Amino acid sequence: GDSVTQTEGQVALSEEDFLTIHCNYSASGYPALFWYVQYPGEGPQFLFRASRDKEKGSSRGFEATYDKGTTSFHLRKASVQESDSAVYYCALGDQGGRALIFGTGTTVSVSP
Amino acid sequence: AQTIHQWPVAEIKAVGSPLSLGCTIKGKSSPNLYWYWQATGGTLQQLFYSITVGQVESVVQLNLSASRPKDDQFILSTEKLLLSHSGFYLCAWRTGGAGGQNTLYFGAGTRLSVL
Repeated sequence: GDSVTQTEGQVALSEEDFLTIHCNYSASGYPALFWYVQYPGEGPQFLFRASRDKEKGSSRGFEATYDKGTTSFHLRKASVQESDSAVYYCALGDQGGRALIFGTGTTVSVSP
Repeated sequence: AQTIHQWPVAEIKAVGSPLSLGCTIKGKSSPNLYWYWQATGGTLQQLFYSITVGQVESVVQLNLSASRPKDDQFILSTEKLLLSHSGFYLCAWRTGGAGGQNTLYFGAGTRLSVL
């Protein structure tokens, strides 16, 4: 079945560091790809999505490019802040229309 | 603007006791509604979804059931809680449509502790 793999379980950074979280998917066709962010005790918040090859999604300084060739949708941010500390989830739109399939999440901790 | 409200915010329940969690969405007619479960430190696991009133599809049951009594309401319940039911329950909505293109929007969640 369709699946999403996030390589990093935890990432520790200092402010102004560059962030990369790797996300790879397994699915046929062109599924929609999403990034969500979850702060402690809250529901996940939608960051952005992309639906076509080479389409770039972005929000709040984060960005990711849909790459059909490498089946990837890696999240990047050039300069992180302490407020970016959260859990980030990559997700795949279920092509049966049921919902989203989420990766295992990446905990990002940014120290001042 | 659409708002999604979950209740209660948190529950502490005994093993074997019943449970009912609720979710209401305002400002959106005929949304697709979803229940997700998240173990502490874990990923999001879809439990149920509903496209219309009275219709609920199960993805992973975990000895839970769901109902959609009204267009704007989604209920998650069980008659007997297990320790494994502990976690964070999230209700979500999205607009209808084909495939998985549409964005899912989550509520604030209900924290459940089963003792």
